Amino acid sequence: GENVEQHPSTLSVQEGDSAVIKCTYSDSASNYFPWYKQELGKRPQLIIDIRSNVGEKKDQRIAVTLNKTAKHFSLHITETQPEDSAVYFCAASSDQGAQKLVFGQGTRLTINP
Amino acid sequence: DGGITQSPKYLFRKEGQNVTLSCEQNLNHDAMYWYRQDPGQGLRLIYYSQIVNDFQKGDIAEGYSVSREKKESFPLTVTSAQKNPTAFYLCASSPGTGGVFRLAAFFGQGTRLTVV
Repeated sequence: GENVEQHPSTLSVQEGDSAVIKCTYSDSASNYFPWYKQELGKRPQLIIDIRSNVGEKKDQRIAVTLNKTAKHFSLHITETQPEDSAVYFCAASSDQGAQKLVFGQGTRLTINP
Repeated sequence: DGGITQSPKYLFRKEGQNVTLSCEQNLNHDAMYWYRQDPGQGLRLIYYSQIVNDFQKGDIAEGYSVSREKKESFPLTVTSAQKNPTAFYLCASSPGTGGVFRLAAFFGQGTRLTVV
């Protein structure tokens, strides 16, 4: 089955700098890759997603890149702000077979003022 | 107001008791999921259902049971066979139709279960 590895587990950056979180997946059939943000004590919320026929997708200060050959994808946050502090999860799924999301272990991002 | 509602928000269970966590959605989504989250851990899949009256085991199904009698509802029972049930439980749903983006999951606010 699918296995998703996420790094780093914790990340601390200065306000205004960029943050990058990386994930690798094992199943070459995976074709959907969402990212979720979970603030303390709250539910995970979808912030951006990408499908396998696209190499990059941007939404204001966040972007996701996908390298299908290497089977890895990354979340990029630019001009970080204190409200970006949260735990971020990547996930992978295929629209064939089981069609279930498999999550990475999460990255705790802290933005230092 | 559309969304996914989990209840209760906090639940305390005595050892040896079964408890049922409720999950209701009014998004008309076909697929529903239960995840378990332990402190500092990722989300591990317990059970999922892609259609009414059908469900599949996830990665950590032992000690749990589910039912999907209605499209809107996917209750999770934590049985006494689950040896370490204290955790944060998250229910999610996804559209199930509309291309690959139908897999996008939307989460409820979670139930924190504590064994006392």
